Amino acid sequence: DAGVIQSPRHEVTEMGQEVTLRCKPISGHDYLFWYRQTMMRGLELLIYFNNNVPIDDSGMPEDRFSAKMPNASFSTLKIQPSEPRDSAVYFCASSLGPGFEQYFGPGTRLTVT
Amino acid sequence: RKEVEQDPGPFNVPEGATVAFNCTYSNSASQSFFWYRQDCRKEPKLLMSVYSSGNEDGRFTAQLNRASQYISLLIRDSKLSDSATYLCVVTLYSSASKIIFGSGTRLSIRP
Repeated sequence: DAGVIQSPRHEVTEMGQEVTLRCKPISGHDYLFWYRQTMMRGLELLIYFNNNVPIDDSGMPEDRFSAKMPNASFSTLKIQPSEPRDSAVYFCASSLGPGFEQYFGPGTRLTVT
Repeated sequence: RKEVEQDPGPFNVPEGATVAFNCTYSNSASQSFFWYRQDCRKEPKLLMSVYSSGNEDGRFTAQLNRASQYISLLIRDSKLSDSATYLCVVTLYSSASKIIFGSGTRLSIRP
């Protein structure tokens, strides 16, 4: 298996633009997680899905952030409009369940200028 | 108080030394515990799960102390390649499971 795939690996955009991050989980994993990592706040869970259904989005910082999982093999995290404080590394991870090992993708390094 | 707390370090120890660090958690109902390792500019990867009875994997030993609400990681005979950030993870199961990563402990092994 190729592992969790994320795209793009790097994204540089201007404030106010829409940003879409993409993730393909490991086949057979029912859980998909989106995280954000910064030096100041560490690794934060934004939202997670079980069988394509959002279970807990309490970590989503505000309405500018939205996430979807239209099928078992694809998820997106969208930021609209983006702001400089959204600059971070965004990780997607998948697992068999919340109590199982999470496999992380390589991350998307987002810079908003 | 943070739900999961770790000493950020850095811990700077010589090769071959034994090093240990802890992770405390605030919710006594927490049910699953893990240690992840994260190298610079890379994604976190599972190092080991932490079981109630404690567990060992080669040079690494993980322990859980439910009474005092902390988990620990012990690294024996440390190698240069052990230099990384170690993240503890605590999971609380409910209708919406809560998964919390600690902020990480930086470990640097010097020759």
